[in-house]
Amino acid sequence: DAGITQSPRHKVTETGTPVTLRCHQTENHRYMYWYRQDPGHGLRLIHYSYGVKDTDKGEVSDGYSVSRSKTEDFLLTLESATSSQTSVYFCAISEVVPGHLDYNEQFFGPGTRLTVL
Amino acid sequence: GQSLEQPSEVTAVEGAIVQINCTYQTSGFYGLSWYQQHDGGAPTFLSYNALDGLEETGRFSSFLSRSDSYGYLLLQELQMKDSASYFCAPRADKIIFGKGTRLHILP
Repeated sequence: DAGITQSPRHKVTETGTPVTLRCHQTENHRYMYWYRQDPGHGLRLIHYSYGVKDTDKGEVSDGYSVSRSKTEDFLLTLESATSSQTSVYFCAISEVVPGHLDYNEQFFGPGTRLTVL
Repeated sequence: GQSLEQPSEVTAVEGAIVQINCTYQTSGFYGLSWYQQHDGGAPTFLSYNALDGLEETGRFSSFLSRSDSYGYLLLQELQMKDSASYFCAPRADKIIFGKGTRLHILP
C-alpha cells in the first residue's frame, strides 16, 4: 500500500458538466499519473506530474486538464464531460524498484468509476 | 512508432503452467514489467526485467530478450486466484501498458 486514495470512488454525471477527480498520496512521491481504463484498450496515460506545478501530457490528454499545487494532491478535471469519457480512472505513483534504479514501479490507487450520461 | 502485442485471452487448467507472451516496439527501451489486475481491482506490480534472461519470483517468472523485443510471463502451479488480467508494460521514456491478457483457469 503506497498510501494512495482517490475520490470520489464512483460518480455519475451529465454531458457538459465539469468533473474533478482527486488523487491523494501520503508518502511524498514525486511522480504521479492519471490513467483511464476501457475494455479493449487497456490502460492509457492521460497526464502525469513530476513535481509541484510540473505536468505533462500522455497519449489521451484531449478533454482533460490536471493540476498539482501540492505534492500530495493530483487533480484531474474534465472541463465539459462527454459520454466518451465514461471510464475507470486510476491514479498511480512511482517508486524505485530495489536493484533497478532505472525503473519506477507504479502503485495504483483503487480507481474511480465515472459514468457520463 | 510504438506497438505492443499480447494475446487477449488464455485458458489453462488449475495446477498447470501457462506462458503469456509479449512483443513490443518502442522508441527507446529500458526494461519490461508485468502487472496483474483482478476484476474490479487495481493493477499491481509483478516483476521487472531490465536485462535479458529469466527472473523468478515464487510461482511467477518473467523473461526478456531485448534483441527480439520479446518477453513472457510464466505462471506455474496455477491456482484459481491467478484468474486475472496480466499486462506487459515496456518502459521507454514512459511506461506503456498493453491491452492485457485475460487468464481463465479451469478447475
